[in-house]
Amino acid sequence: GENVEQHPSTLSVQEGDSAVIKCTYSDSASNYFPWYKQELGKRPQLIIDIRSNVGEKKDQRIAVTLNKTAKHFSLHITETQPEDSAVYFCAARETNAGKSTFGDGTTLTVKP
Amino acid sequence: GAGVSQSPSNKVTEKGKDVELRCDPISGHTALYWYRQSLGQGLEFLIYFQGNSAPDKSGLPSDRFSAERTGGSVSTLTIQRTQQEDSAVYLCASTDPPYNEQFFGPGTRLTVL
Repeated sequence: GENVEQHPSTLSVQEGDSAVIKCTYSDSASNYFPWYKQELGKRPQLIIDIRSNVGEKKDQRIAVTLNKTAKHFSLHITETQPEDSAVYFCAARETNAGKSTFGDGTTLTVKP
Repeated sequence: GAGVSQSPSNKVTEKGKDVELRCDPISGHTALYWYRQSLGQGLEFLIYFQGNSAPDKSGLPSDRFSAERTGGSVSTLTIQRTQQEDSAVYLCASTDPPYNEQFFGPGTRLTVL
């Protein structure tokens, strides 16, 4: 089955700096890679996703890059703000399989 | 429209008791997932329902865990003879079709004393 590894487990940055979280996956059949943000005590919510037919996707301060050959994808947050502080989860899924495999999460702290 | 709802929001039970957790997915969503999240941990996949297909039960940790989905909508996760290690937040998510965004419910926090 699919195995997703996420690094780092914790990340602390100064407000305004960039943050990068990386994930690797094992199953070459995976073709959908979402990122979820989970604030303390709340439910995970999708912030950005990418499919295997593109290498990069950007939405304002958030971007995701995908390297299918190396089987890794990354979340980039620029100009970080204190409200970006949360746990971020990556996931990988094979479209027709439906089941997603999640990384263990990265706790991001943005210091004002 | 209404999002995914779960009930109860909190459940405290004694070791050895059975519990039932309920999930109401977004109307029309054909896929439904159950996950378990222990304190400070990631999302552990439990079970996945897609339409009328046989569910993917590969994540259920033991035969004390079972789930059903009636009429392709509401799902119930049942834990029999609860143990202290079952204490966690149980999250439900739904999506339509299965390869799009998963919408999560607020979770049920289960505490086994």
